[in-house]
Amino acid sequence: DTAVSQTPKYLVTQMGNDKSIKCEQNLGHDTMYWYKQDSKKFLKIMFSYNNKELIINETVPNRFSPKSPDKAHLNLHINSLELGDSAVYFCASSLSAGRQFFGPGTRLTVL
Amino acid sequence: QKEVEQDPGPLSVPEGAIVSLNCTYSNSAFQYFMWYRQYSRKGPELLMYTYSSGNKEDGRFTAQVDKSSKYISLFIRDSQPSDSATYLCAMSDAGGTSYGKLTFGQGTILTVHP
Repeated sequence: DTAVSQTPKYLVTQMGNDKSIKCEQNLGHDTMYWYKQDSKKFLKIMFSYNNKELIINETVPNRFSPKSPDKAHLNLHINSLELGDSAVYFCASSLSAGRQFFGPGTRLTVL
Repeated sequence: QKEVEQDPGPLSVPEGAIVSLNCTYSNSAFQYFMWYRQYSRKGPELLMYTYSSGNKEDGRFTAQVDKSSKYISLFIRDSQPSDSATYLCAMSDAGGTSYGKLTFGQGTILTVHP
């Protein structure tokens, strides 16, 4: 009964490809987030959705497009992957702007 | 200058020691303060969540917030090898266009050796 789950766990792909990462939460939360953790472990927010509405969109290249089909799901699609996109991507969820619970992460490697 | 500063360590202590982890911040709008623990190749796990200034205790963990100094701390008593992880401080003002946005410190790598 995983609270926040992500698929896939690992993603290895070539530069220029398009890929998607999926996130699902079963906590009944109304807000979901995408964070990026770089090689130095620094975590930075990318997007947040509240009730399927985009709330936060940090200065992220428009190659990154989040999509929230419903409150329990938030997917991240990345076009034209670049070497610098290699990182660990974490999904998180919360009730309103409260405590955030993180998924296990998706380790993306762009070759 | 980063909004949240955290000494990345690494910090190595013997089992049973008291560990002190700290963060400073510059944004006076921050009102919610959190500590996350992250084991290698895992997601961050929420340890402590506090609002405004004061202390909060949970088992061997104590979180302190001093808003006047813009300084937060996490103390771990009787540290165990299982406490070995990266500890991340995080903060939020939880309002307006920053709704729910967490700003993280760089994380401190802690090793507790038997």
